[in-house]
Amino acid sequence: AQSVAQPEDQVNVAEGNPLTVKCTYSVSGNPYLFWYVQYPNRGLQFLLKYITGDNLVKGSYGFEAEFNKSQTSFHLKKPSALVSDSALYFCAVRDTSGGSYIPTFGRGTSLIVHP
Amino acid sequence: EAEVAQSPRYKITEKSQAVAFWCDPISGHATLYWYRQILGQGPELLVQFQDESVVDDSQLPKDRFSAERLKGVDSTLKIQPAELGDSAMYLCASSFEQGSNYGYTFGSGTRLTVV
Repeated sequence: AQSVAQPEDQVNVAEGNPLTVKCTYSVSGNPYLFWYVQYPNRGLQFLLKYITGDNLVKGSYGFEAEFNKSQTSFHLKKPSALVSDSALYFCAVRDTSGGSYIPTFGRGTSLIVHP
Repeated sequence: EAEVAQSPRYKITEKSQAVAFWCDPISGHATLYWYRQILGQGPELLVQFQDESVVDDSQLPKDRFSAERLKGVDSTLKIQPAELGDSAMYLCASSFEQGSNYGYTFGSGTRLTVV
């Protein structure tokens, strides 16, 4: 079984400060991990993924995420937040064992960047 | 940049009425997904198509929901009769193949309000 948790409903950060949006997962095998961003009344946009290789993954718009197998985490980070980063962020996980190709999405974290 | 097209963007319908949503995936994407996103939650898969065939519809409420992708290209999701609890964002996504390691491309969604 696969599951993902985003422990924070909302994250507030000042513009220019670093941001972190947390994600933890549970899988039976190895995980494929994804981050998506959703702006109001829009679909989800793919930000980045971890499949294998380097634990630090760089994605769109200056975002990056660090895969930590021991802590089963895949936190999303950005060194300097912009007001335009304010949106809903979703973490998703797919278990490579079990045969399902469908990722499970977290509940989402609302990121609010204050000017 | 190629997009997944969805229509309508917004739909208000009375309960017990029929409603239909349309999706046109990215050209060449064999796999198409319909997701439902209830406000404050992550997307949940309703149905997955591989070409014109249903691969997974285990979470589709088949007493009222139906989906088709007759020619393996565009797809229609129908609800009949609509219930108040069906109010949600309905997202269509596509990928080149099942288990795409590159994430899905989502459309902008159809926001359904049942009154």
